[in-house]
Amino acid sequence: GNSVTQMEGPVTLSEEAFLTINCTYTATGYPSLFWYVQYPGEGLQLLLKATKADDKGSNKGFEATYRKETTSFHLEKGSVQVSDSAVYFCALMDTGRRALTFGSGTRLQVQP
Amino acid sequence: DARVTQTPRHKVTEMGQEVTMRCQPILGHNTVFWYRQTMMQGLELLAYFRNRAPLDDSGMPKDRFSAEMPDATLATLKIQPSEPRDSAVYFCASGLGTGGFSGANVLTFGAGSRLTVL
Repeated sequence: GNSVTQMEGPVTLSEEAFLTINCTYTATGYPSLFWYVQYPGEGLQLLLKATKADDKGSNKGFEATYRKETTSFHLEKGSVQVSDSAVYFCALMDTGRRALTFGSGTRLQVQP
Repeated sequence: DARVTQTPRHKVTEMGQEVTMRCQPILGHNTVFWYRQTMMQGLELLAYFRNRAPLDDSGMPKDRFSAEMPDATLATLKIQPSEPRDSAVYFCASGLGTGGFSGANVLTFGAGSRLTVL
């Protein structure tokens, strides 16, 4: 079946540090890949997506590239802010089931 | 901004009681999903609908959980009887699913219903 594996958290960084959150997946076919973000007490919000190999999704300074050869979709940001503190979820949607499968989430804490 | 509305936001109940959570999807969206979030299991898909028809409810305990869409503007998730292990945040999400697969389909999540069963 489908699965998504994310790095364990929490990830604690100082403001303006570089961020990488690793995500790898297992799926049949060619899934679409997503990063969602969840702020405290809120629902999940789409951060970025990529629908085919080598696509790069980007939004609010965050980027992730769909790497089919390594089945990865790592999230990066060059300079994090305190306001980026949240839980980040990597997810995939396969062509058959058409429902999102989520990773376990990675909590990011950015300190001033 | 169009949003998915969930009620109640918080619910505390006693074991054995019936619980009903409601979701109003975004107008025009034809797919609705129910997810459950716990610390131990993360986000689990419970059920989802397309054009009000249930497509997959394999993630849902059938003996106590039921999900329905009485009309296009309302989805419900019912637990009867509730148990302490049902304590979680339940999220509803809606999207626009086309007949052919589109990887651009994006789900919009509601703020969730936090359920505590004592």
